[in-house]
Amino acid sequence: EDKVVQSPLSLVVHEGDTVTLNCSYEVTNFRSLLWYKQEKKAPTFLFMLTSSGIEKKSGRLSSILDKKELFSILNITATQTGDSAVYLCAVRLEYGNKLVFGAGTILRVKS
Amino acid sequence: GAVVSQHPSRVICKSGTSVKIECRSLDFQATTMFWYRQFPKQSLMLMATSNEGSKATYEQGVEKDKFLINHASLTLSTLTVTSAHPEDSSFYICSAHLAVGADTQYFGPGTRLTVL
Repeated sequence: EDKVVQSPLSLVVHEGDTVTLNCSYEVTNFRSLLWYKQEKKAPTFLFMLTSSGIEKKSGRLSSILDKKELFSILNITATQTGDSAVYLCAVRLEYGNKLVFGAGTILRVKS
Repeated sequence: GAVVSQHPSRVICKSGTSVKIECRSLDFQATTMFWYRQFPKQSLMLMATSNEGSKATYEQGVEKDKFLINHASLTLSTLTVTSAHPEDSSFYICSAHLAVGADTQYFGPGTRLTVL
């Protein structure tokens, strides 16, 4: 069974802290790994990773994939209260464009 | 670009009625759309894959006669929850696959269904 596991399940930090969110996966046919941010409504796309060791960066957020060890991390530096959200990791399978989601990490940034 | 809309955003209905939810890709064509369900504090669970012009592919455990999916055009897919019951109350989210550029799924804003 295809599986995506995220850790921690929840996290509370103070503004300015750096956080690292983890995502590990076991799937039959891996194509890519995606990170989404979900606030009160539907998820918004952050990153798509297909190759190991190549960091994707967008402002204070960055992410990297390790296809040998089957995991990815999402880093957020200098956190702000606006970063409070659920961060979802999903793996796209090779056939049919299907996404398998992890349970998410609830991040709360306190001012 | 890559905007997906859903309508309605919120619906409250009586038990036994049917509810239709629309998902539209506003600025791109999507041959494939997906329907997800999300319970409070849980992740997204894929219900079905909707392909334009053909029958939807349902995930294991999802009743195809209860959750009717129609993908009549490249920009519109509909999910109809038939004879809704309180246990069908949930957050329903659609996504549309954009095959060029980012080559990924873009999500609609979701529909909150409450069945009384």
